[in-house]
Amino acid sequence: EAEVAQSPRYKITEKSQAVAFWCDPISGHATLYWYRQILGQGPELLVQFQDESVVDDSQLPKDRFSAERLKGVDSTLKIQPAELGDSAMYLCASSPDGSYGYTFGSGTRLTVV
Amino acid sequence: AQSVSQHNHHVILSEAASLELGCNYSYGGTVNLFWYVQYPGQHLQLLLKYFSGDPLVKGIKGFEAEFIKSKFSFNLRKPSVQWSDTAEYFCAVTFSGGYQKVTFGTGTKLQVIP
Repeated sequence: EAEVAQSPRYKITEKSQAVAFWCDPISGHATLYWYRQILGQGPELLVQFQDESVVDDSQLPKDRFSAERLKGVDSTLKIQPAELGDSAMYLCASSPDGSYGYTFGSGTRLTVV
Repeated sequence: AQSVSQHNHHVILSEAASLELGCNYSYGGTVNLFWYVQYPGQHLQLLLKYFSGDPLVKGIKGFEAEFIKSKFSFNLRKPSVQWSDTAEYFCAVTFSGGYQKVTFGTGTKLQVIP
């Protein structure tokens, strides 16, 4: 079964440092999503791509977060500088067309100390 | 604003008991509905989904859900739970219009006692 690949699996970083996460969606999936899941809460959408274009980044804290999907395939989410409140699980998901349910990756658990 | 509510935050059941987890959404338009499960230490997995047609949807592992449009609900059910069903369950909804994004509920932690 095809999977969404994410790396790293775990990341510990100090406050004010930069951190980056990588996601490789299922081949052929045009829609890619980055979600943040804080412990005890449901996932919250950060950014949604359709191919290489951002179609929704309304919940992305743009002063410190950035996301790109340059060739419409894999994607990188960056945080600079990291803050303590950024500690969470960062989930990537992909979908063929955005309507039929997502396939999630295993996530990157970020701890900011 | 559209929202998804899961009122049961933590449910404890004995094995073989029946399960029903509530999910309500606030939106009068067309929706697509999902239930996801997250086993301890694992990633989110799709249990079942509803787009149209028969409002009773059957998913994997013996789960089913019923869409009741008049009640804005999509409750998850299983007649007899097993210890291996211990997990967190998330209801999710896409609301019509534009590029659809999935809005998740806050989740329900299910603990099944052997």
